[in-house]
Amino acid sequence: DIQMTQSPSTLSASVGDRVTITCRASHYINTWLAWYQQRPGKAPNLLIHKASTLASGVPSRFSGSGSGTEFTLTISSLQPEDFATYYCQQYDTQSCTFGPGTKVEIK
Amino acid sequence: VQLVESGGGLAQPGGSLRLSCSASGFTFRNYAMYWVRQAPEKGLQVVATISKSGDPTFYADSERDRFTISRDNSNDTLFLQMTGLRIEDAGIYYCAIWNYALDFWGQGTLVTVSS
Repeated sequence: DIQMTQSPSTLSASVGDRVTITCRASHYINTWLAWYQQRPGKAPNLLIHKASTLASGVPSRFSGSGSGTEFTLTISSLQPEDFATYYCQQYDTQSCTFGPGTKVEIK
Repeated sequence: VQLVESGGGLAQPGGSLRLSCSASGFTFRNYAMYWVRQAPEKGLQVVATISKSGDPTFYADSERDRFTISRDNSNDTLFLQMTGLRIEDAGIYYCAIWNYALDFWGQGTLVTVSS
């Protein structure tokens, strides 16, 4: 099965900071990768699919890049509502495995 | 778009539960559907998936032979029949729509497995 890893596991940042999260796949997945945001007590929310395509209604400060086995999620200017946990997910195989998550905390 | 899960609760190890997900605001029969579990303070895992028509289905290895996913396209409802429940099956179970990815999620239903 394809394993997903994310780094860092926790990130402390301030409002206005540029933030980058890395996701790596154990096998080649082309661009079959999605990013989700999960706020405490809420369901996950799709941010990006196909590695770099912004989902409907997602602010343009979010962007994704990468292909193959290495991917990044960037938030260009962190806003108060962006403090949350972010998950990547591969969908190259039916198991659609998620990464372990990156928690973005207030510095 | 709205997805409302129900059916969670407390079950004993070895017991059963049937989760439901009532869909509205979109053409349910046009989308594959997923059940995703989030164990307490843990990450996300796809438990089972079902195609638009109901066949084929897919299960995670640990759920195969114990869980059954099904859907009623006439009543816009998704189901997850869970049998032989284990402590490690506990968590919040979300139903979600597959479009470009898991585009929309319900708010989840909590499953607790304890004696």
